[in-house]
Amino acid sequence: DAGVIQSPRHEVTEMGQEVTLRCKPISGHNSLFWYRQTMMRGLELLIYFNNNVPIDDSGMPEDRFSAKMPNASFSTLKIQPSEPRDSAVYFCASSLRDRGYNEQFFGPGTRLTVL
Amino acid sequence: RKEVEQDPGPFNVPEGATVAFNCTYSNSASQSFFWYRQDCRKEPKLLMSVYSSGNEDGRFTAQLNRASQYISLLIRDSKLSDSATYLCVVILYNNNDMRFGAGTRLTVKP
Repeated sequence: DAGVIQSPRHEVTEMGQEVTLRCKPISGHNSLFWYRQTMMRGLELLIYFNNNVPIDDSGMPEDRFSAKMPNASFSTLKIQPSEPRDSAVYFCASSLRDRGYNEQFFGPGTRLTVL
Repeated sequence: RKEVEQDPGPFNVPEGATVAFNCTYSNSASQSFFWYRQDCRKEPKLLMSVYSSGNEDGRFTAQLNRASQYISLLIRDSKLSDSATYLCVVILYNNNDMRFGAGTRLTVKP
């Protein structure tokens, strides 16, 4: 079975450009999460969706960041305009939310470098 | 104060050694606790859940101390393949909002 799929795996762009990261969750999962990981700040939750609806976006650093989930099998995280401090690994994770906690399965991540 | 704090290490131990990591959390309402493992340049993966009564999975033992708000992970008879970063994870009850610690890096040497 396919796990969480993220694209691109690597992205190098110049400051000011728009960046779009993509995620396909595991089929049947109803929760989707976007994380950012840096050496300085560790792994941070940016936003998560339940049944395609954004539940908590308090981790989104600023208005330059936006996330959408138009359907159960696709989500995007967009940065516009990008800045060098956005350089990080961005992970998407999905889970089947039931009562209580369910394991989150992470994708391989997108390594973003903003020059 | 960070919500979840871990000693970043690194811990450098010889094969066969026993090593323990601790993690403290600030929100007393936290209900669920986990250890994730992250290999270099890979994604985090669930290692084990942490139950109030403590739990063991092979060479790994996890314990929770609610009164002191910390959890621990003990690795016995460490293997080279145990080399990774171990992330402490805390979530609130009925909430999928996970808070990760910064991770503790372990290197097991021959």
